[in-house]
Order: sequence, then C-alpha cells, then structure tokens
Amino acid sequence: EPEVTQTPSHQVTQMGQEVILRCVPISNHLYFYWYRQILGQKVEFLVSFYNNEISEKSEIFDDQFSVERPDGSNFTLKIRSTKLEDSAMYFCASSDRGSHGELFFGEGSRLTVL
Amino acid sequence: KNEVEQSPQNLTAQEGEFITINCSYSVGISALHWLQQHPGGGIVSLFMLSSGKKKHGRLIATINIQEKHSSLHITASHPRDSAVYICAVRSLGGGNQFYFGTGTSLTVIP
Repeated sequence: EPEVTQTPSHQVTQMGQEVILRCVPISNHLYFYWYRQILGQKVEFLVSFYNNEISEKSEIFDDQFSVERPDGSNFTLKIRSTKLEDSAMYFCASSDRGSHGELFFGEGSRLTVL
Repeated sequence: KNEVEQSPQNLTAQEGEFITINCSYSVGISALHWLQQHPGGGIVSLFMLSSGKKKHGRLIATINIQEKHSSLHITASHPRDSAVYICAVRSLGGGNQFYFGTGTSLTVIP
C-alpha cells in the first residue's frame, strides 16, 4: 500500500541551527501539507503546497520556515534558525485532491532543539 | 479561541461497549476529518466527511452541517481501539487551512 515516508524519524539539534525535514509523498498526489504537534498539545496546521507554491499557511509558518519540492518526489520543510519552541513532532501529509481529498500522513519527524 | 471542540477529552470503556466521540466546530467547512493517533504518535485518517454518514467496519462517522457537529461511533469496542481520536476541519474561506481538535484519548479495558 502506498505510504508517505518521512526522514529523519528523530533529530536533535542545537538552538540556532538549520534543520531540514524530508517527506516523500504518495507518488500520484498533488497536494502536500506540513503539520506540527508540540508534546502534549494538539496538532497544528503549518502549510499547504500545490503546483509548486504555497497555497495556504498558518500564523505559525513565519519567515523562519520554508518549504520546497526540489526534485518532484521530495517535499521538504526547512527551519532556518531553530528555537527551543520548535521542538515538536512534524507530520507531513499528502492528498490526491484538494478540499475533498483524504489525507495520508507520514509517521512524523520528532525534532528536539537543545 | 478553539475552532474545533471535542468531547469527552478522556474516555475509558469496557471491551464491547458502544463509544461515541463528539466534535463541534465554529467555522464554515469544506470537509471534516476523523483521525486516529496511535500511542507511538503516528496518525491515520479514518474518515473524511462533507455530509451524511460513513461506515468502515465497526466505525461510523456522521456529520450535521447545519448544526456544525460530527460524531464518531465505535461499535463493539476492543482494546486495540485504544488511541487518541482527533477531529479536524478544512475551512471554506481559508483554502486548505486546517483546524484540529485537542483529541479524545480512548482506553478500552479488556
């Protein structure tokens, strides 16, 4: 069964460092998403991406964040200069349709900022 | 402000019981999703609804668009159903903006 894969599963980094989280969406999907979940809190939407551009982003997704689909298969989330409060589980998801498409989630990447 | 409210927050049930988890939302939506988050953290999509009712095995999801309310039912609950169940809505006005509930933590005791 096709699945969304994410790497790394866990990354520990020092405050101020750049981090790139990688996602490989399901191959025929066109809509891609990043979410985060701070430990003990609810899942929060970060950004949606379609046709090689951001279609929607939340207030959380400030200038420190960026997304890219560099090669037609990977979908990356970059955090430019990590802060302690960026520590969270980051989930990637993909969908074959926009508003009415079922979401398929990756297993998540746990980011710990020290 | 919480665009999505779930109840109850925590639920403990005996194996075999019928379970209902409720979700109310305050924004206009194009779709509502029920998600299951396993103890390890992974998230699985259970249902996507824009109207009516859907059924997969022992799981049933309903939505009332006028009342801005959805319910997730589990019939003949089993310990393997123990997980966090999350309601999420895709808003109409914001394109692909999503709002998530805080989740309902379900424990089914054998």
